[in-house]
Amino acid sequence: QSILTQTPSASGTPGQRVTISCSGSSSNIESHYVYWYRQLPGTAPELLMYKNDQRPSGVPDRFSGSKSGTSASLAISGLRSEDEADYYCATWDDSLSGRVFGGGTKVTVL
Amino acid sequence: EVQLVESGGDLVQPGGSLRLSCAASGFSIRDHYMDWVRQAPGKGLEWVGRTRNRANTYSTEYAASVKGRFNVSRDDSRNSLYLQMNSLQFEDTAVYYCAREWQPYFYGMDVWGLGTTVTVSS
Repeated sequence: QSILTQTPSASGTPGQRVTISCSGSSSNIESHYVYWYRQLPGTAPELLMYKNDQRPSGVPDRFSGSKSGTSASLAISGLRSEDEADYYCATWDDSLSGRVFGGGTKVTVL
Repeated sequence: EVQLVESGGDLVQPGGSLRLSCAASGFSIRDHYMDWVRQAPGKGLEWVGRTRNRANTYSTEYAASVKGRFNVSRDDSRNSLYLQMNSLQFEDTAVYYCAREWQPYFYGMDVWGLGTTVTVSS
C-alpha cells in the first residue's frame, strides 16, 4: 500500500486528453517537488516530469504536470497509442525520510 | 552514451546475501546522488535507497523495508554503485534498477539501468 495514491487505471481514445492524479499529504507532496515517471511495457522507467511541472529535454509538450496542496496530476493531451504505459508519481516524504512512489496508473489507449 | 548497467542478480535462499553492482559509463558518478529502485513481479516501483555525493559526505538513506539489511555504497574511482543485500526475504524478489539523480532536474532520476533480477526462493 503506497503512501501516494494513484488511480490504478485510466483510458482514452486517440487524440483525447487523459489526466492522472496522485494524492498524498503534508509530509510529502505538499512539502516537496513531485516527479512523474513513465514505464513502457518491459522497459525501465524514464523521467517524464520534474519539479511538479517541468519537462526534461525530449519530452513533448503533450505532457503537462501540476501540483496543488497535497495532490498532483499529470495530463496527457493528444493521446497516442505509444502513450500506453504505467505512470508513477514520486516525491520525498519527511515522515519516512525517503523517496516514495505512487502505486502507478496504467494508461490504456482504446 | 550515458548508461547504467546492473549486474549480480541471482537466485538466493531466504536469509542469504547478495551484492548487486551498477556500472556507469558516459558520465562520472562522482558528482551525483545515486539510487536503487526495485519492482516486484507485477507490482509498482519501490524506492530502496540512495547515496549522496562526496560533497554531501556520501550519506545514505533507505526505505524502511530494507533498513538494517541493505547497504548502498559507491566507488567513484570505479564509477560504480553497489547494493549489499543481507537477510534476504521472499518479498525482496524483484528487478533492481540503479538510477542517477540529475541536479539540474532537481534530483529527478533521469538515467536508469535495465535492471537485474533477484529471486529469493527456497
